[in-house]
Amino acid sequence: AQSVAQPEDQVNVAEGNPLTVKCTYSVSGNPYLFWYVQYPNRGLQFLLKYITGDNLVKGSYGFEAEFNKSQTSFHLKKPSALVSDSALYFCAVREGSGGSYIPTFGRGTSLIVHP
Amino acid sequence: NAGVTQTPKFQVLKTGQSMTLQCAQDMNHNSMYWYRQDPGMGLRLIYYSASEGTTDKGEVPNGYNVSRLNKREFSLRLESAAPSQTSVYFCASSFLLGGGQETQYFGPGTRLLVL
Repeated sequence: AQSVAQPEDQVNVAEGNPLTVKCTYSVSGNPYLFWYVQYPNRGLQFLLKYITGDNLVKGSYGFEAEFNKSQTSFHLKKPSALVSDSALYFCAVREGSGGSYIPTFGRGTSLIVHP
Repeated sequence: NAGVTQTPKFQVLKTGQSMTLQCAQDMNHNSMYWYRQDPGMGLRLIYYSASEGTTDKGEVPNGYNVSRLNKREFSLRLESAAPSQTSVYFCASSFLLGGGQETQYFGPGTRLLVL
């Protein structure tokens, strides 16, 4: 079975400061990992993904995420937060081969960037 | 290229009424999905369609039915709406089931209130 946890319901950060949104996962084999962002009254938009290769993945809007196999984590990061980054962020995981081909989503983390 | 479109955007129903949520994609994707989003619950999969002509239950299928009308369209039907079905419903699509190494594309959502 696959699962994903986002331990923080909300993350608050000041504009210009670095931000981290945490995600941990559990799968039987190798994971495919995704981050999506949801702005108010909108659908989810893809940010970045890890399939294989370099553990540091760069995505849209200056976001990046680091895959850590030993800690089963895939935390989302940005060096300098913007007020416009305020949104709901979802981590998702699926098994890379075999098992369910449907990603499982976390409960979401609300990121609030203060001016 | 509109991506994934959903109709209606908002709907208010009385308990026991029926309705169909429509979804269409113009990206020639094979797989389509219906999710519901509830506060603190994240995204939960209701039904999915791996390819035209096939549908399968997801995590929370009770009270819903689906139809994959053709490759483009995937509808979700509530036969007898209940207040517990008050939610935001998202349709998504992907080229392959689960997205493969690709991502899911989401529609803007339908906000449903059942009184």
